[in-house]
Amino acid sequence: DTEVTQTPKHLVMGMTNKKSLKCEQHMGHRAMYWYKQKAKKPPELMFVYSYEKLSINESVPSRFSPECPNSSLLNLHLHALQPEDSALYLCASSRPTGLPGYTFGSGTRLTVV
Amino acid sequence: GDSVTQMEGPVTLSEEAFLTINCTYTATGYPSLFWYVQYPGEGLQLLLKATKADDKGSNKGFEATYRKETTSFHLEKGSVQVSDSAVYFCALKGTNAGKSTFGDGTTLTVKP
Repeated sequence: DTEVTQTPKHLVMGMTNKKSLKCEQHMGHRAMYWYKQKAKKPPELMFVYSYEKLSINESVPSRFSPECPNSSLLNLHLHALQPEDSALYLCASSRPTGLPGYTFGSGTRLTVV
Repeated sequence: GDSVTQMEGPVTLSEEAFLTINCTYTATGYPSLFWYVQYPGEGLQLLLKATKADDKGSNKGFEATYRKETTSFHLEKGSVQVSDSAVYFCALKGTNAGKSTFGDGTTLTVKP
C-alpha cells in the first residue's frame, strides 16, 4: 500500500460547525504533515508529527487542532472556521530519516460558508 | 533561510515540444531537491528527486540534474503530451529540516 488516503474529499461547513478531516497511511512512515493550499499557490505547512508527537506548529490558529492517535492516522479537527479558511487541505507522510520525499493524499476541498 | 525560485508561468506549449522549467534554490549545506506535479483537482505527486550534487532524477520522461555550482534543478522533458498539463512545484528539504520548502509553482498547458 503506497497511498495516503484522505476523507472526506469535499466538505462544506458553517462557521459554527465542528468537523474533522482524516488521513491514513500504511507505508510505515513515521512523519505526517498537514498542509493548506489556496488556489494557484504552493502548499503551506501547518503541522508536522514525528513518531506521533507534534514537532512543528507553524503558528496555526487554535480553531485548527491536529491529532495523531497512532502511527497510521492523522486527524485535523476544525471548529469556528472563517470563510478565508476555505482551501484544499493536504495530508502527507514521509520517513523521518533516510530518503526524503513526501507522499501526498488527494486532499479535502473545504468550503466554509 | 531556505528558498526556492521557479520560473514564472504560465507556460503554454504544443504537443511534442521541448519543456524546460527553471528552478534555483538557496540553502545551507546539502539539501535534497524535488519536483512535484499537481494535476487538476488532485494532491501533489512526487515526480522525481535528487539527493546529492550531480545526481539526475528521472521519471515518466522528465529529468532534472542537481547542479550545486549553479544552485539549480531545472525540469526538462523532450516531448510533452497533453496529459502533462499540470502545475509543477520545485522543492527542497534541508539536511536537518523537518519540513520542505516549495517554489510558487509553474502551470503548464500543452495544446494538441
